[in-house]
This record gives sequence, C-alpha cells and structure tokens, in this order.
Amino acid sequence: NAGVMQNPRHLVRRRGQEARLRCSPMKGHSHVYWYRQLPEEGLKFMVYLQKENIIDESGMPKERFSAEFPKEGPSILRIQQVVRGDSAAYFCASSPGGGHQPQHFGDGTRLSIL
Amino acid sequence: TQLLEQSPQFLSIQEGENLTVYCNSSSVFSSLQWYRQEPGEGPVLLVTVVTGGEVKKLKRLTFQFGDARKDSSLHITAAQPGDTGLYLCAGAYGNTGKLIFGQGTTLQVKP
Repeated sequence: NAGVMQNPRHLVRRRGQEARLRCSPMKGHSHVYWYRQLPEEGLKFMVYLQKENIIDESGMPKERFSAEFPKEGPSILRIQQVVRGDSAAYFCASSPGGGHQPQHFGDGTRLSIL
Repeated sequence: TQLLEQSPQFLSIQEGENLTVYCNSSSVFSSLQWYRQEPGEGPVLLVTVVTGGEVKKLKRLTFQFGDARKDSSLHITAAQPGDTGLYLCAGAYGNTGKLIFGQGTTLQVKP
C-alpha cells in the first residue's frame, strides 16, 4: 500500500537547531501540500509544490521556513533555528493534480522543541 | 480570508441514533472534501464533492454539497461505536486546490 510516506514520525529538536521533514507522495502523484496542526487548532495550509516548483507559499511563515520538491526524491520542509512555537504536527498530502483533485495525507511528523 | 465554520464541535450520542454535521462558508468552494482523523494519524479521505447539489453515499454516510457550493453536510444513519472519531471538512479554493479546514467535529458514539 504505497500511500503518502512521511519521516520521521517524531522529531525532537532543541531551540536554535534545524528540523528537516520529508514527504514521499503517493505513486503517480506530482503535487504536494504541507499543512501544520498546532495543539488545539485545526489544520492550516502552508505550501503547495509541484516538481521543482513552489506554486503557492501563502501559508508559510516568512522567515525560517522553506520547502522544496526536487526532480528526484522526497519533498522537504525545512525549519531553521526552531523555536518552541514550532512544536506541532506537520502533515503532507499529495494529489495527482491541483484544483479539486482529492488530497491524500500521510500520518504526519510530530515536532517537539525542547 | 476564507473561513469554514464546522458544527457542532462535539457530539455524544447513543448507538443507533442519527446525526448531521454541517460545514458553512461565505465563500464558494471549487470542491469540498470530508476526512476522518484518528489520534496520532493523518486525515483519511472519505469523499470529495465537486458539483453544486451533489449527493454521495458511503454505506451509512451521506454527503451533500449545497447548490451554491458554499456549504456541505455529513449525515450518519444509525451510528455505531466504530464511527467514533474526528470528522473534518475541507474546502478547496481556486485553482491551486489548497484546503481550508474546519475546526472538526469530535463524535462519540456510546454502545
């Protein structure tokens, strides 16, 4: 069952370190979305990527956060100089196309900042 | 800013009862998706509705998309304890398909 794979499932970092979250989309899917779920809050859109292109990053914090989806390999969400407020569950979803194509989610990466 | 209001936030019912969850917005969606999420896992897609007025059924679950594509409902008939979980509606806006999520409905079905 080649669903959306995210790793690591759990990641612990100290303040000031970097966090790298990986997402491999479902087979045949070339569109990737990243969402963040803060404690006691709903899922919030962060960024939408296609292979080698950022299509919409309107939900990304302006500083410290970046995302990429290279031609080969998984999509990466990178958080530099992490702070306590970055603690959250980060989910990746993939779809075969944009628009109203259904999005399938991975099981997320739980990021904890000490 | 697009907002999606989901209600009720919490629902506790007895096995066999019926229930409806609502999702409303002042904005028009290009599509709407319903998900179910278990603790520690990602949302699992239940259904996607695209056309105004569309009705889809999934066993005891009935999903409806409003004619104006601004609202949707999920109706569960004869709820069972296995239906317990968090239900999320998510509207897609524009061409990118980025999803705006409702706050979710936590459903508890008691045996």
